[in-house]
Amino acid sequence: GAVVSQHPSRVICKSGTSVKIECRSLDFQATTMFWYRQFPKQSLMLMATSNEGSKATYEQGVEKDKFLINHASLTLSTLTVTSAHPEDSSFYICSASWGGPYQETQYFGPGTRLLVL
Amino acid sequence: SQQGEEDPQALSIQEGENATMNCSYKTSINNLQWYRQNSGRGLVHLILIRSNEREKHSGRLRVTLDTSKKSSSLLITASRAADTASYFCATDGTNSGYSTLTFGKGTMLLVSP
Repeated sequence: GAVVSQHPSRVICKSGTSVKIECRSLDFQATTMFWYRQFPKQSLMLMATSNEGSKATYEQGVEKDKFLINHASLTLSTLTVTSAHPEDSSFYICSASWGGPYQETQYFGPGTRLLVL
Repeated sequence: SQQGEEDPQALSIQEGENATMNCSYKTSINNLQWYRQNSGRGLVHLILIRSNEREKHSGRLRVTLDTSKKSSSLLITASRAADTASYFCATDGTNSGYSTLTFGKGTMLLVSP
């Protein structure tokens, strides 16, 4: 149980275009979803936290107008990288938890590798 | 800011040997978690240890936590080639209704047959 999927698994786009990444919880309702970014051989950096039906909370230094997050349902969150540039090339990973009194465990998706040319 | 710091950054051992990775952190935590990541893949949750626990076992994994030193260790016993991966510690220090994890830089473990 607790499976999280991401789509696409990898995407190559031209500079200036927008890219949408989907994160789905397949067998549970995800009250909260998280988006992380990981550069090569580095750690995961939390970008934002989203709760279903409300606006995402962005970490310091993450541009909310560039990384649009939508969590419209309990099983789907999307991250849109707007006007992507080569420096946005990275590995984007989402995770989900089902909330509750205090949900400690996050379930991670397989990641999406973005390459901006 | 980066919370956890793992050491060593890279570890190379032979199958059958034990692998020990350490993690240090700076602020108070509710729990500390260890994750594994195969190259280019997502993360797999290995084990969670709460701030009031000192040691925890899961199969070949043993995790210790010393809150006075703000450090944790992950021991993998009788390692296998399939254990080759990057291992990250993540600290959860929030008191809100959901966990917010801060990841360390990770240890790359290579287990040779």
